[in-house]
Amino acid sequence: GAVVSQHPSRVICKSGTSVKIECRSLDFQATTMFWYRQFPKQSLMLMATSNEGSKATYEQGVEKDKFLINHASLTLSTLTVTSAHPEDSSFYICSARRQGPHEQYFGPGTRLTVT
Amino acid sequence: AQSVTQLGSHVSVSEGALVLLRCNYSSSVPPYLFWYVQYPNQGLQLLLKYTSAATLVKGINGFEAEFKKSETSFHLTKPSAHMSDAAEYFCAVSDTGNQFYFGTGTSLTVIP
Repeated sequence: GAVVSQHPSRVICKSGTSVKIECRSLDFQATTMFWYRQFPKQSLMLMATSNEGSKATYEQGVEKDKFLINHASLTLSTLTVTSAHPEDSSFYICSARRQGPHEQYFGPGTRLTVT
Repeated sequence: AQSVTQLGSHVSVSEGALVLLRCNYSSSVPPYLFWYVQYPNQGLQLLLKYTSAATLVKGINGFEAEFKKSETSFHLTKPSAHMSDAAEYFCAVSDTGNQFYFGTGTSLTVIP
């Protein structure tokens, strides 16, 4: 149990376009979902925390107008990178937390390349 | 405030040798501590976690870690390295389960 999926696993887009990444908890309801960004050979940086039905909380330095997060249901959160630029190229990982176990379950990640 | 320090960004061991990956934490409250493994282009997989029960925690794939409050450490060990253990390892600390603070990671190379 506690499986988190992400779609797509890889995406290439042109500069200036927008890209949506989905994060789904497949077998549990996620009260909270998290979005991380990981640069090559570096650690995960928390971008934002989203709770179902409320606005996401963004970490300092993360542009909320550029990285739109929607947590429409207890099993789905989306991250939309708007007007993408090459510097947005990165590995984006989501995680989900459910009530009870003190743990986050991580998705497999999405590799975004902006050309 | 909480933070994690992983000493050694790269560790190399021979196949069959002991694996020791170091993690020290800073926390103002009793921490929850985690070790995750990441294979190339994949997400994070939980190896083990400490949540204030037994100080010696056993995880998957033969890994274990010991919580030492006096040393503020949570080092990861495995008695005998396998080639399949080559990956990136992250230590993380959390207080409530919401905010996770990750270390910078340790890349483990296993030499045949």
